[in-house]
Amino acid sequence: QKEVEQNSGPLSVPEGAIASLNCTYSDRGSQSFFWYRQYSGKSPELIMFIYSNGDKEDGRFTAQLNKASQYVSLLIRDSQPSDSATYLCAVILRSHGSGNTGKLIFGQGTTLQVKP
Amino acid sequence: DGGITQSPKYLFRKEGQNVTLSCEQNLNHDAMYWYRQDPGQGLRLIYYSQIVNDFQKGDIAEGYSVSREKKESFPLTVTSAQKNPTAFYLCASKFKAVSNTGELFFGEGSRLTVL
Repeated sequence: QKEVEQNSGPLSVPEGAIASLNCTYSDRGSQSFFWYRQYSGKSPELIMFIYSNGDKEDGRFTAQLNKASQYVSLLIRDSQPSDSATYLCAVILRSHGSGNTGKLIFGQGTTLQVKP
Repeated sequence: DGGITQSPKYLFRKEGQNVTLSCEQNLNHDAMYWYRQDPGQGLRLIYYSQIVNDFQKGDIAEGYSVSREKKESFPLTVTSAQKNPTAFYLCASKFKAVSNTGELFFGEGSRLTVL
């Protein structure tokens, strides 16, 4: 089982719709979760991070974390064509019993296409 | 301006040659990372360093080597032992590796093509 898994997509949504991106992780002890956006040929840029169960909202973006089910999701409301990119989920892995490893692992990314 | 500088941006090399990719940061970050990205794929961790003079293997370290002699610098050598080195290489840094918080800052990447 991969440490961080995402559906590679592409996920296609019409402009103005809600895009829902999902990510599951294998390390039950992981505490820190990140969503990055990557445009083609560019470096990833951080959109949001979340540490606590529940929802965290920032503008049109909402991150949702469910540690019991080991998944984290990203919702994009009022999707725009400029949101078309690859969205990468990342997790800091924890070592057995001694805190964070410092090892930041990414999923394979989900490609989002927002159609005008 | 603070940031991460990777060089070169594009690199072509013949099969069997070693190649060193440079990564320099002036953010005063302790932690630095190297990732590899293949077309349509996510980022795979090659090596990371939590502090000067220390580094750990990531998931795909075979065929690569690194050094961390200075806080600002974390060069990656792609050796001839790396069977498929053509890829996009990303260097990143973070204030503290084991901290839950803190954004990962990326360089602009180096695209290596082996002919």
